Amino acid sequence: DTEVTQTPKHLVMGMTNKKSLKCEQHMGHRAMYWYKQKAKKPPELMFVYSYEKLSINESVPSRFSPECPNSSLLNLHLHALQPEDSALYLCASSQIQGYSYEQYFGPGTRLTVT
Amino acid sequence: TQLLEQSPQFLSIQEGENLTVYCNSSSVFSSLQWYRQEPGEGPVLLVTVVTGGEVKKLKRLTFQFGDARKDSSLHITAAQPGDTGLYLCAGADGNTGKLIFGQGTTLQVKP
Repeated sequence: DTEVTQTPKHLVMGMTNKKSLKCEQHMGHRAMYWYKQKAKKPPELMFVYSYEKLSINESVPSRFSPECPNSSLLNLHLHALQPEDSALYLCASSQIQGYSYEQYFGPGTRLTVT
Repeated sequence: TQLLEQSPQFLSIQEGENLTVYCNSSSVFSSLQWYRQEPGEGPVLLVTVVTGGEVKKLKRLTFQFGDARKDSSLHITAAQPGDTGLYLCAGADGNTGKLIFGQGTTLQVKP
């Protein structure tokens, strides 16, 4: 099973709302990632969690707040977003040991900020 | 800073034609992955190449990793409309595990 699930599939929120994106994997992967992707562009890394601890924050604004409650779950809390934050948000997971660093992506959440 | 140059960025061809997509870098990668992404969906992993000079085949798709592990190519034989999508190459940084993505190749195969 190489499935990463994400909910919701689509989200529309106002600039004053608070919402959360959820991601789940059951592959036993101990690294999980959040990416932001604009149309026809490659994914841009936002955060990396290794063994449930935040290991990389790519200078993401504080209106994005990640959380890793356990080894299978990853959340991204959103607050006071801007219209330019509208994008496809992707979650991914991978093994930590080894050298292939294969990442498996979820289907994404299409976020629109109005 | 590691960079991965992917070309071409856009490709529109007729069904049955062959094509090659290239990813080039001045940096060495621990591995290189190829993904295909359809609109509104997440990238799907097609293949991972790890060893310099490695060639892997997936039906009509042939993937090659350069001898020095700095470049890779994807060749599609007899393209089908179902091959349409965004193709992404991504090199793995052996120190951090981060993926360095190429700019992507948008492929359209017309029937």
